[in-house]
Amino acid sequence: GENVEQHPSTLSVQEGDSAVIKCTYSDSASNYFPWYKQELGKRPQLIIDIRSNVGEKKDQRIAVTLNKTAKHFSLHITETQPEDSAVYFCAAGEWRALTFGSGTRLQVQP
Amino acid sequence: DADVTQTPRNRITKTGKRIMLECSQTKGHDRMYWYRQDPGLGLRLIYYSFDVKDINKGEISDGYSVSRQAQAKFSLSLESAIPNQTALYFCATSTGDNQPQHFGDGTRLSIL
Repeated sequence: GENVEQHPSTLSVQEGDSAVIKCTYSDSASNYFPWYKQELGKRPQLIIDIRSNVGEKKDQRIAVTLNKTAKHFSLHITETQPEDSAVYFCAAGEWRALTFGSGTRLQVQP
Repeated sequence: DADVTQTPRNRITKTGKRIMLECSQTKGHDRMYWYRQDPGLGLRLIYYSFDVKDINKGEISDGYSVSRQAQAKFSLSLESAIPNQTALYFCATSTGDNQPQHFGDGTRLSIL
């Protein structure tokens, strides 16, 4: 089955700096790569996703890049704000189901 | 607003008890999922269902069973609860292949 590794497990940045979270996956059949944000005590919510026919996708301050050859994908957050503080999860999947990474706790210091 | 609703939100019970967690959705999605979340382990898939007649085991199905009573309802049961099943449980829905999953608010389950 699929195995997704996510790094780092914790990340602290100053407000206004950029944050990068990286994930690797093992199954070359995976073709869908969403990212979820989970605030404390809340449900995970999709913030951006990318499919295997696309190498990069951007939505305002958030971007995701995908390298299918190397089997890794990354989340980039620019101009971080305190409200970006949360746990972020990557996931990889094909038509059937998703496998999630173990999460990255991002803390944005004011 | 169309949503995914989980009941109960919190449950404390004893070892050996049978427990049912319920999930209902008004999104009209065909696919429903049950996940377990433990600190440092992310979300792990327990069971998933593509329609009322299609139910599949996920990564960690041992000790759990499910029932898809209708398109809108998907229940998770622990036949004989044990302490290491203490966790946060999430239900999710989606429309199909490679589509976003929409999560409920979760059920925090503690087994003493």
